[in-house]
Amino acid sequence: AQRVTQPEKLLSVFKGAPVELKCNYSYSGSPELFWYVQYSRQRLQLLLRHISRESIKGFTADLNKGETSFHLKKPFAQEEDSAMYYCARASGSRLTFGEGTQLTVNP
Amino acid sequence: SAVISQKPSRDICQRGTSLTIQCQVDSQVTMMFWYRQQPGQSLTLIATANQGSEATYESGFVIDKFPISRPNLTFSTLTVSNMSPEDSSIYLCSARAGNTEAFFGQGTRLTVV
Repeated sequence: AQRVTQPEKLLSVFKGAPVELKCNYSYSGSPELFWYVQYSRQRLQLLLRHISRESIKGFTADLNKGETSFHLKKPFAQEEDSAMYYCARASGSRLTFGEGTQLTVNP
Repeated sequence: SAVISQKPSRDICQRGTSLTIQCQVDSQVTMMFWYRQQPGQSLTLIATANQGSEATYESGFVIDKFPISRPNLTFSTLTVSNMSPEDSSIYLCSARAGNTEAFFGQGTRLTVV
């Protein structure tokens, strides 16, 4: 079965510090990977997907097939980045989600 | 993009009763899904809602407990049947058009007492 693992349930950093949210996936062919974010009292929304290779709100994520990882990074965290972040993998049209990481950016 | 409306947004129900959750998408989408998010846990896929045919259920979920309808491309319902406190959770509707991003409803927070 496809698995997505986010080893950190909670991550706390100070404003301006770099942040990395880890995501590992079980190997199987060419994965289609996403990062979703849920801000307080808002619905789950797409942050970025690996095939677009873009930077959204300063976040980037690189697919590392050798390490089967898709870590989310931002060089300088902002308080408004505080949210729940989910890594997800597509299998056909279905998404499998990781456990999620609650990021808190402290002032 | 697609906007998904779910209702009710929350409900408190007596054990043994059933609740039907509605999901309306503002555009035609190919795929609709129902997820459950139990307290402190991630999203778990319940089933794929198929238009005009029976839903495809994931392991651990059965039609008798979670009957799903999808009469057209933009609407689906999920019923949580014969509820028990263990069914207390957030239920999320999701839609995807092909390989585009998945969009989510705001969720239905169900509490069973």
